[in-house]
Amino acid sequence: EPEVTQTPSHQVTQMGQEVILRCVPISNHLYFYWYRQILGQKVEFLVSFYNNEISEKSEIFDDQFSVERPDGSNFTLKIRSTKLEDSAMYFCASSEAKTGWSGNQPQHFGDGTRLSIL
Amino acid sequence: GNSVTQMEGPVTLSEEAFLTINCTYTATGYPSLFWYVQYPGEGLQLLLKATKADDKGSNKGFEATYRKETTSFHLEKGSVQVSDSAVYFCALTLNSGGYQKVTFGIGTKLQVIP
Repeated sequence: EPEVTQTPSHQVTQMGQEVILRCVPISNHLYFYWYRQILGQKVEFLVSFYNNEISEKSEIFDDQFSVERPDGSNFTLKIRSTKLEDSAMYFCASSEAKTGWSGNQPQHFGDGTRLSIL
Repeated sequence: GNSVTQMEGPVTLSEEAFLTINCTYTATGYPSLFWYVQYPGEGLQLLLKATKADDKGSNKGFEATYRKETTSFHLEKGSVQVSDSAVYFCALTLNSGGYQKVTFGIGTKLQVIP
């Protein structure tokens, strides 16, 4: 079964540095998402992306964050000038169609990247 | 706003015991409901789903019924196994236009002991 793949599985970065988290969505999917899970807390929505632009973002997704689909397969999350509170598990997800239609296609998640800011 | 409330764990059961994990939701529109499972060291996997009232989602012996009147989507399994030990997340998306984010509950950790 096709999978969403994320690299690296664990990223350790010094505070203030930039980090790029990478994702390869399922090949025929058109909608892409990033979520994060701070240890012991809920999985939180960050951003959704379609047709090379952001379609929705949460209040967490401020100017420190950006997303990009640099080629036909990768989907990246960049965090500029990382802070201690950015330490979390970051999940990428993709879906074949808009989640929520009656012919519903759920989002498929990767295994996550654990980001540790020192 | 939309939210999902589920019982906090951890839940510890003996093998072959009956499992119920409660989940209730609030939503401004008509949601689709999901259960995701996260096994140790792995990502989020879709376990089952239901897209409208009275639908029953089922997979791997787990079941959940979409109850609009009680705004609930409780997860059940008749006989749990050690391999079911994981964190279970109740979640929803709205059945409306747009790119619908998933709203998750806090997750319930299940530990099944032999």
